[in-house]
Amino acid sequence: GAGVSQTPSNKVTEKGKYVELRCDPISGHTALYWYRQSLGQGPEFLIYFQGTGAADDSGLPNDRFFAVRPEGSVSTLKIQRTERGDSAVYLCASSLAVNNEQFFGPGTRLTVL
Amino acid sequence: EDQVTQSPEALRLQEGESSSLNCSYTVSGLRGLFWYRQDPGKGPEFLFTLYSAGEEKEKERLKATLTKKESFLHITAPKPEDSATYLCAVQASGATNKLIFGTGTLLAVQP
Repeated sequence: GAGVSQTPSNKVTEKGKYVELRCDPISGHTALYWYRQSLGQGPEFLIYFQGTGAADDSGLPNDRFFAVRPEGSVSTLKIQRTERGDSAVYLCASSLAVNNEQFFGPGTRLTVL
Repeated sequence: EDQVTQSPEALRLQEGESSSLNCSYTVSGLRGLFWYRQDPGKGPEFLFTLYSAGEEKEKERLKATLTKKESFLHITAPKPEDSATYLCAVQASGATNKLIFGTGTLLAVQP
């Protein structure tokens, strides 16, 4: 079966612009996670959805970051007024509700010029 | 504060030279400890989950073990294709399902 997919694979934008990153989880997985990974670092948690609702958004760095999952499947991470410090790889993962293993997608590399 | 520390940062082995990677953790209560492998330009690939001290899991040349303070990833007779970054993460009891990752160990196996 298909794994977690993320689009686009690469996104280059200018400082101050708005970007949307998309995640398609594994079919049947009810939990979805967003992480951010900077060069040489481990992934850093951003937000977690159980179904359509955000169960934990404590990792979002500020109010420029927002994520939605309106139908409990696909999720979109939205970043307003991008800054150069937002440059990183944004990873999405999904898991079954009763299974702790999180399966990651390939990531979206965001570069803010 | 929940924290994960991995050592060494980088490790270079000859093919067939066995070694171990360390993951030390501080967490209010451990729900699970996870090992992932990450190749350049790709997302982390799930390897193992360990839940309690004394637990061990194996997959091909890899074996993961867990104590109350740390986990080891033992690599037996490694091959060049084992070269990757190995990430350790913990999930705390009572928290949501978020993972707290270490910075990883970059393993290079030379033929």
